[in-house]
Parts: sequence; structure tokens; C-alpha cells
Amino acid sequence: GNSVTQMEGPVTLSEEAFLTINCTYTATGYPSLFWYVQYPGEGLQLLLKATKADDKGSNKGFEATYRKETTSFHLEKGSVQVSDSAVYFCALTNSGGSNYKLTFGKGTLLTVNP
Amino acid sequence: DTGVSQDPRHKITKRGQNVTFRCDPISEHNRLYWYRQTLGQGPEFLTYFQNEAQLEKSRLLSDRFSAERPKGSFSTLEIQRTEQGDSAMYLCASSLANGPGNTIYFGEGSWLTVV
Repeated sequence: GNSVTQMEGPVTLSEEAFLTINCTYTATGYPSLFWYVQYPGEGLQLLLKATKADDKGSNKGFEATYRKETTSFHLEKGSVQVSDSAVYFCALTNSGGSNYKLTFGKGTLLTVNP
Repeated sequence: DTGVSQDPRHKITKRGQNVTFRCDPISEHNRLYWYRQTLGQGPEFLTYFQNEAQLEKSRLLSDRFSAERPKGSFSTLEIQRTEQGDSAMYLCASSLANGPGNTIYFGEGSWLTVV
């Protein structure tokens, strides 16, 4: 079945530091890959996505590249801000079938200190 | 586009009581999903609808859980005879059914605490 593995948190950084959150996946076929962000007390917001190999998703300074050869979709940001403090979830939808449901990792808590 | 809205946002109930959550998806979306999220975990799929048809249910959805989407618009998730293990955030989401790369939009969730 499908699964997503994220680096365990929490991750604590100082403002303007470089961020990497690792994500690897197991899936049949060619999944679409997503990063969602959850701010305290809120639901999930889509941060970025990539639908085929070698695609790069980007938004708000965050980037992730779909690497089929390493089954990875690592999230990066060159300079984090205090406002980036949140939980980040890597997720996929399978290309097979038609339900398009998301399978999530466990999430990584990021805290950015001023 | 008013987003996915859920009601109530918070519910505290006694063990054994029934609770119902409502979800209003983005208006043109024909897919509607329910997920459950417990503390420190990622959301887990419960069920989904295409229009009014419930097409898949997870093994997580015991007989005490029932979901409906009677006219293909809003949906309800009812939990009967609640147990403490049902305490979680229940997330509703919606999307178009155009393909696996389509964005799934989430509501802010309904927190359930069973005491």
C-alpha cells in the first residue's frame, strides 16, 4: 500500500536559517506529491505540489522536487521566518484507481525562534 | 470561493452520546472527503463521496460512524455511542474529480472531546 515517511521532529531553527524536511514515499505507479502546512488550531493548507517526476513545486519561498529515483520529495526553504512555525505534512495521491485520496506522513513540527 | 466550512468547530460530549458534524464544501466541488486526525499524527482517510454517492469507506469507520451527502452538496458525519477513543479532529475536504494531481482543500476541522 501507499505510505509516506517524514523526518521526525520537532525541528527548531533560528530566523533566517536554512530548512530541510525530508520526505520519502512508497506507492504504486506515479503518485502526485504534496506538502500541506497546519498552523496551530487550524486545518490544513496546501503549500505546494508536484504531479510528475522532476517537477518542482514552489510557494512562499518553499520548494520541493519530485525525485522518482530516490522516491523523495524533500521540503526546503532558504531563510525561514518566525511565521513559518507550524506542522508540515508530506502527502501523496495514487495514480491508480479514481479515489484520489491523500495518504499523509505523521507531520514535522517546525519552530522558528527570533 | 468561501472555502470548506465545518460546524461545530469544537464539541465536548459525554461518553455514549451521539454527535453530528456538518461540512459545506467549496460549491463547485463534486468530491468530498472526511479524515480524522489525532494528536501528533497525520490525517487518516475515513470516507469520500462523489456527488451524493459514498464510494469508499476506510476500515477506521466502524459501524458507529455514518456519513451522508444527501443532495451532493453538504455532508454530515455522525458518531453514535461515542467512546473516548473517538476524541480527535475531524477534517472535511473537497476537490474536483479531475485527477490525482487535483488540489484537495481542507476545512478548519471539528475538534471532538469525549469525556
